[in-house]
Amino acid sequence: DQQVKQNSPSLSVQEGRISILNCDYTNSMFDYFLWYKKYPAEGPTFLISISSIKDKNEDGRFTVFLNKSAKHLSLHIVPSQPGDSAVYFCAASATRGGSNYKLTFGKGTLLTVNP
Amino acid sequence: NAGVMQNPRHLVRRRGQEARLRCSPMKGHSHVYWYRQLPEEGLKFMVYLQKENIIDESGMPKERFSAEFPKEGPSILRIQQVVRGDSAAYFCASSPTTRQGNEKLFFGSGTQLSVL
Repeated sequence: DQQVKQNSPSLSVQEGRISILNCDYTNSMFDYFLWYKKYPAEGPTFLISISSIKDKNEDGRFTVFLNKSAKHLSLHIVPSQPGDSAVYFCAASATRGGSNYKLTFGKGTLLTVNP
Repeated sequence: NAGVMQNPRHLVRRRGQEARLRCSPMKGHSHVYWYRQLPEEGLKFMVYLQKENIIDESGMPKERFSAEFPKEGPSILRIQQVVRGDSAAYFCASSPTTRQGNEKLFFGSGTQLSVL
């Protein structure tokens, strides 16, 4: 049972346009969400996070939106750059309770930004 | 300013052999986590260790897999009598304290295990 779902395996956008990556979750206990970026042959690197007490968090070109009622979050990248081409993982954790250290990942979305 | 170091990067084993994967956390980090990524899947939590202690191994297969983080030296993930289904990328991550709130995990580059 997948608790974190990224339903788009891949996404292709033109340089300069907006990239929107989507993520859905099913576990109501999740209250902290992160996006990781992963290049081939490297480990995931943290990109941006959001707590469930917020509905938006922005960091430069990256913005994450959280819709708790829909159990949905999205990552917006504006403007997209060729160097953004990577696999993006959505991850979630339940910070209350005893296993706040455990991240549940989606399968990832391969973003390709074309020059 | 070394990050999380994993070795080897690639490991090839025949069925029935043992695989040992090593992870040195970032300097100053005393918490280590192992994740496994099967082909076409996301990363899945395996085990969380502090120095000389296994805190949570709920994601580890019950047989053939073990992990340790000794007082001195790297953390070791050990897989005995490997099978083809163990072929995956194994990622280690570390953090300075228990991940809470804004703590972020720092991942190594992973070990790609291939079982022939």
